[in-house]
Parts: sequence; structure tokens; C-alpha cells
Amino acid sequence: EVQLVESGGGLVKPGGSLRLSCVASGLTFTNAWMTWVRQAPGKGLEWVGRIKSENDGGTTDYAAPVKGRFTISREDARNTLYLHMNSLQTEDTAVYYCLTTLVGYDRNLFDSWGQGTLVTVSS
Amino acid sequence: EIVLTQSPATLSLSPGERATLSCRASQSIRTSLAWHQQKPGQAPRLLIYDASKRATGIPARFSGSGSGTDFTLTISSLEPEDFAVYYCQQRSSRPPFTFGPGTKVDIK
Repeated sequence: EVQLVESGGGLVKPGGSLRLSCVASGLTFTNAWMTWVRQAPGKGLEWVGRIKSENDGGTTDYAAPVKGRFTISREDARNTLYLHMNSLQTEDTAVYYCLTTLVGYDRNLFDSWGQGTLVTVSS
Repeated sequence: EIVLTQSPATLSLSPGERATLSCRASQSIRTSLAWHQQKPGQAPRLLIYDASKRATGIPARFSGSGSGTDFTLTISSLEPEDFAVYYCQQRSSRPPFTFGPGTKVDIK
């Protein structure tokens, strides 16, 4: 069974930094393209960014609101995905999810999501 | 950036009725569109990808159609567990892979 477990959320002051982690199990992490999505309280889903597998270049893409402030990285030896967040703003308050897309038993795709970790930016 | 709009914002229906949800993209994304379902307190679940392919384990009452800029998610006969918020997402080769604002399907 695929499992993604996020951690690292919490309360941080505006301008502060935080690092989120997402530990994966039940999949070949080295081949996985990993994504971060966030959801502000009571709001919709917002795509944050993605990192490709190292075999596919390990490149990253970011949404405009976080570009230059957030960095996605991965540590394949630890099956772990990271989201480094700097210069945090109140608008970054959200539940942060990691996810990946996999091939299911019926050869169709499915997304595996973590349970999310809450980041609150407030003074 | 590709912008997605969804309509209606809220759809009030009864169990057994047919639900039709729309998603429009600001530019052509061919068939690179996904639909997700989210229930309160839960992570989203992928329902449809490539506009019309059902994700693993998704019941046949969910179907997707469309291409280019106009897409539709149809739930043929609503079950009690289908009352939720539905998001479309563009998954073309061009990030950011934006989501639409969502359509809430609630019980009439």
C-alpha cells in the first residue's frame, strides 16, 4: 500500500521559514514525480510545485505566488520529499499536501495523497 | 498560466439525479484535464484523467468528456457519498497545473 506522510507544519511568524517533509512508502520513490498542493482554510486547491525524478532530470516547477520563496527538493535515499518555505506570508496559511501519480492494478492512474500538514503564518 | 473556471459554483440535487459539472480552460489543453472529488476533512481523490479516463477504482457512474477548452464531468445517478466538492485541474505539459475554483454538489 502506498503511503505518504507529511510533517513539519506549525505556527510561524510572517517572514519566517519552515521545512515540510513527506515520507513515502510502498512505491519506488526514485521513479516518482512528486507534487505539493495546498489548501487555505475554507478555500480551494492550489498547486504549489513539482519535482521530477532524478532520472528525468530532477527539475522543479513552481506556482507564481511561491516562486523564489519556496524550494522543493528530494532525498531519494530516505524516500523523502521536502518543501523549504522562506519569507512566509499570512497568505501561505494552508494545509499542505504531497502527492504522486501512480499506475493502479487496472493500469489506470490514481493519485496517492498524504494526509496534509497545517502551516499557520501569524504574528 | 492556464486559468480554469467551473460552473455552477453550487449544484443542489437529490440522490438518484444526474449531475453535470462544467470546466472551461482559458486556452486549449487538448484532453489534459483531471477531475478530483473532495469531501470535508479529507484529501482529494482523483476521479478522471485525460478528460475521460476513470482513475483506478472509480465507479462507472462517473464519466468525463470534452477537449480543447470545454470539459464536463457527469455523475449519472447521485449516490449519497457523491455529495462533495469537485475540482478540475489542467495537467498539460505546461505548469503550473492549476485547479478550478470547484463546484459543490449538495443535497437538495
